[in-house]
Amino acid sequence: QVQLVQSGAEVKKPGASVKVSCKASGYSFTNYDINWVRQATGQGPEWMGWMNPNSGNTGYSQKFQGRVTMTRNTSINTAYMELSSLRSEDTAVYYCARRSRATIFGVVFYWFDPWGQGTLVTVSS
Amino acid sequence: DIQMTQSPSSLSASIGDRVTITCRASQNIDSYLNWYQQKPGKAPTVLIYAASNLKTGVPSRFSGSGSGTDFTLTISSLQPEDFATYYCQQSYSMPSWTFGQGTKVEIK
Repeated sequence: QVQLVQSGAEVKKPGASVKVSCKASGYSFTNYDINWVRQATGQGPEWMGWMNPNSGNTGYSQKFQGRVTMTRNTSINTAYMELSSLRSEDTAVYYCARRSRATIFGVVFYWFDPWGQGTLVTVSS
Repeated sequence: DIQMTQSPSSLSASIGDRVTITCRASQNIDSYLNWYQQKPGKAPTVLIYAASNLKTGVPSRFSGSGSGTDFTLTISSLQPEDFATYYCQQSYSMPSWTFGQGTKVEIK
């Protein structure tokens, strides 16, 4: 089945970096964009950016521009998200999600499906 | 940025109740609206895409409607497994996506 499996929880100090991995299985990894979303406790999801696994092209939310880097290793069907200069406000669960699509009456629509199981990143001194 | 506003932020309902959740976009987004369900400690899962299309495998008691700026998610007869938080998401301004703040459905 289509599945995204993420790396385990991380605890980091302020100013450090974290790199989260997302391994895809059950579909052709290079055919679908991977997006990254984070969710702080009690908050709604927040989109961080996207990556095309085929080309390596990326696009980031302005909020994270300069601090986030999304990469991939196509030989092992794995996407990565690295966030630097961590601060306490970055404490959240980080998710990868595949951008799925359908064409309805000639119009292409997109949504996120599936999502990884989430990776808790805690930033604390 | 397109803002998505959900109402109510929480509601209490009984098994068998009809439940309606509203999502309003800050500008026209046509039908580029998705609905997700999230249970505690789990990732969101999609219920509805393109405003009114039920994802395969999702129970038919879930339905979505609307276009432009106003959208609705309806659960026709609430079941025990439906107690969760629901989020709307716009894909109109893709690649920049935004979510609503969520509606928590609790047991009355």
